[in-house]
Amino acid sequence: GIQVEQSPPDLILQEGANSTLRCNFSDSVNNLQWFHQNPWGQLINLFYIPSGTKQNGRLSATTVATERYSLLYISSSQTTDSGVYFCAVAGNEKLTFGTGTRLTIIP
Amino acid sequence: GAVVSQHPSWVICKSGTSVKIECRSLDFQATTMFWYRQFPKQSLMLMATSNEGSKATYEQGVEKDKFLINHASLTLSTLTVTSAHPEDSSFYICSASPAGGRNEQYFGPGTRLTVT
Repeated sequence: GIQVEQSPPDLILQEGANSTLRCNFSDSVNNLQWFHQNPWGQLINLFYIPSGTKQNGRLSATTVATERYSLLYISSSQTTDSGVYFCAVAGNEKLTFGTGTRLTIIP
Repeated sequence: GAVVSQHPSWVICKSGTSVKIECRSLDFQATTMFWYRQFPKQSLMLMATSNEGSKATYEQGVEKDKFLINHASLTLSTLTVTSAHPEDSSFYICSASPAGGRNEQYFGPGTRLTVT
């Protein structure tokens, strides 16, 4: 099956800083999603982005499908951005999740 | 839009009993729903794919007789953990994809199961 790697595994930043999270995958995909898992476990959809670039407020994402990676950018971090960020990909309908990046924003 | 609910949000049961978890798509129809399991500080692992009106497809290593899945309608799938044991304690999360749309999945809030 598809392998998904995320980096870095942990990231600690001061409030206001910018960050870049990376997702590498091993095969072609027709679905790539970024999620934020909040402290209560809820997965919040951030982006559906099998290719191209999208922006939503302080967050943006880029997927380069031909090179099999995706990047999630968070600008002007806030404490509410803390949590685990997952990338998940699918070559068919089944999502494979990466191991996640745990982001901690310090006030 | 695209809201998925789960019930209960948490449950404690005794070893040997069965527990049913419901997953509902509230504002869309879903021909396919998915069930995941997440252990503390780990990623999500797909357990099974649930298709409305047909048998679920289980991932390798998941016991279908232990984790019974029923997808009775286009908005409801249930997961029953039968004869639960402490090692079944985990966070169970369902997801659904809107029928006829792109294959984006929307996730429920999860159910935390503790077996004593």
